[in-house]
Amino acid sequence: ETGVTQTPRHLVMGMTNKKSLKCEQHLGHNAMYWYKQSAKKPLELMFVYSLEERVENNSVPSRFSPECPNSSHLFLHLHTLQPEDSALYLCASSPGLAGTFYNEQFFGPGTRLTVL
Amino acid sequence: RKEVEQDPGPFNVPEGATVAFNCTYSNSASQSFFWYRQDCRKEPKLLMSVYSSGNEDGRFTAQLNRASQYISLLIRDSKLSDSATYLCVVNGVDNQGGKLIFGQGTELSVKP
Repeated sequence: ETGVTQTPRHLVMGMTNKKSLKCEQHLGHNAMYWYKQSAKKPLELMFVYSLEERVENNSVPSRFSPECPNSSHLFLHLHTLQPEDSALYLCASSPGLAGTFYNEQFFGPGTRLTVL
Repeated sequence: RKEVEQDPGPFNVPEGATVAFNCTYSNSASQSFFWYRQDCRKEPKLLMSVYSSGNEDGRFTAQLNRASQYISLLIRDSKLSDSATYLCVVNGVDNQGGKLIFGQGTELSVKP
């Protein structure tokens, strides 16, 4: 048990749907992250939040919209996605502020997203 | 050149074997280094942090060579349960401080 939970674990959506992914960390960490992992590719950092403030948007299309209402919760709102957006979406948290060296990250189980 | 590059896999080894993975990174200003393990269809989990000249944890030894910008992971006495993908992760340095850069992973399969 990593202390980082994600829901839903699996999601199938059409290109016109709107859905949200939820992440919650129970570790008292200060930073939270969204990653995308496509088959046979390295993890791609999407967004970084440090103390609820977005500190990085890694050139992610606007059809992905993050929200961090407090230091324990992180959302990823999805709308008008494309089939190539199908991937595993991982949330992570770290104890130090984002941008801190030696900042180990702890991952949630991920949401496996399929866009039809 | 990729920011973090790992040995291409897969590595297929018998139980009890010793196996070593290599990783190189491009940014000489990187400050911290990690090995993560990812099981099939699961999330990455931190295996070891690598500081200074390296460290050991049971059957696992990680080495860091800053001059050559090279990190290695050695697994001794391989177990079936070691089968997974091993991710080399480097703290990339930019104007805002560090962010983690993940390698593409090296797949290990330990056979009976």
